[in-house]
Amino acid sequence: DQQVKQNSPSLSVQEGRISILNCDYTNSMFDYFLWYKKYPAEGPTFLISISSIKDKNEDGRFTVFLNKSAKHLSLHIVPSQPGDSAVYFCAASAGGGKLIFGQGTELSVKP
Amino acid sequence: NAGVMQNPRHLVRRRGQEARLRCSPVKGHSHVYWYRQLPEEGLKFMVYLQKENIIDESGMPKERFSAEFPKEGPSILRIQQVVRGDSAAYFCASSPSPTGSGSPLHFGNGTRLTVT
Repeated sequence: DQQVKQNSPSLSVQEGRISILNCDYTNSMFDYFLWYKKYPAEGPTFLISISSIKDKNEDGRFTVFLNKSAKHLSLHIVPSQPGDSAVYFCAASAGGGKLIFGQGTELSVKP
Repeated sequence: NAGVMQNPRHLVRRRGQEARLRCSPVKGHSHVYWYRQLPEEGLKFMVYLQKENIIDESGMPKERFSAEFPKEGPSILRIQQVVRGDSAAYFCASSPSPTGSGSPLHFGNGTRLTVT
């Protein structure tokens, strides 16, 4: 049972344009959502998070949007840079300490 | 301030041998998590530990796998009698408080286990 889904395995974007990565979830008990970025042969690195009491959180070029009624969140990166090329994972928590991860979306930003 | 340290980075074991994966959390972090990433898949939760206690092991296979986080020393993930299906990247993460209270996990660079 995949509680957190990232339906796009890959995304290609031109440098300077906006990257939009999407994530859907099924468990209405999730109250904390995070995005992680992962380079090959490295561990995931925390990017940005959002609590379920908010619908938007912004940090520099990164903005996360949460639509609770649709059980959907998205990560916007603008402007996209070649160094943003990586695999992006969304994750969710219902408390209790563990995170449930999506399958990941591989972002490629072309110069 | 060192991050999460995992060793070894790469581990090769023959079928039937034991694998021991070590994780030293960020200094001051008392919550440790183990995740497994199979090829072409996302990270799957295995176990959540605090010092000397297993809090949630709902993601651990019932047999051959065990984890500990002793009062002193690193957390250990132990896999007995490894099989080819255990080949994966194993990531350890730590946090100062339970994730879900606004505290993201900090991950190590993982141990890549290959079973031949």
